[in-house]
Amino acid sequence: AQTVTQSQPEMSVQEAETVTLSCTYDTSENNYYLFWYKQPPSRQMILVIRQEAYKQQNATENRFSVNFQKAAKSFSLKISDSQLGDTAMYFCAFLNAGNMLTFGGGTRLMVKP
Amino acid sequence: DADVTQTPRNRITKTGKRIMLECSQTKGHDRMYWYRQDPGLGLRLIYYSFDVKDINKGEISDGYSVSRQAQAKFSLSLESAIPNQTALYFCATSDLPGQERDTQYFGPGTRLTVL
Repeated sequence: AQTVTQSQPEMSVQEAETVTLSCTYDTSENNYYLFWYKQPPSRQMILVIRQEAYKQQNATENRFSVNFQKAAKSFSLKISDSQLGDTAMYFCAFLNAGNMLTFGGGTRLMVKP
Repeated sequence: DADVTQTPRNRITKTGKRIMLECSQTKGHDRMYWYRQDPGLGLRLIYYSFDVKDINKGEISDGYSVSRQAQAKFSLSLESAIPNQTALYFCATSDLPGQERDTQYFGPGTRLTVL
């Protein structure tokens, strides 16, 4: 079974600054996918970014990028130019070969004006 | 219109009552999932279905049952609700594995309170 750990329960950042959220995982699989989901106060789960384990290049989506270190089993999310609308819970998730998604416990991010 | 819808959005019920949560999707995906989220925690998988004739238990299926009425509809039932089933429930869908098609897309959630 896989486990996903987010070691930062809460973080804060000033508007326009950069913040990095950490995620580590444990698996014996070689082919898998990793995701970051955002859950704003509206409680909707919104896909932020996706990374295939077989790709060495880090995924990027506008202001969001990841640092994927496969050997270290680390998958951090960097948010650049933070905006007030980025305030939310952020969940790291692991998708295994059986299509099962395992979530971390989440990091609550507060963007301050 | 939303691709994945859930009804009801909020529900308060009493211990021992039977409750059904419904999920519908217009994404044309074959795979559907039910998750539960407790305060301050990530989502945990209750049941999943890879097609209309396929039903599988997830991590925390005890006390729950599901029905896949059609490709677009997947219902979650609590046969006899208990207070520790108070949680936020999410439905999700995904396409077949491969490339980006196995990304899971979530409904808006149903907040269930069992008194």
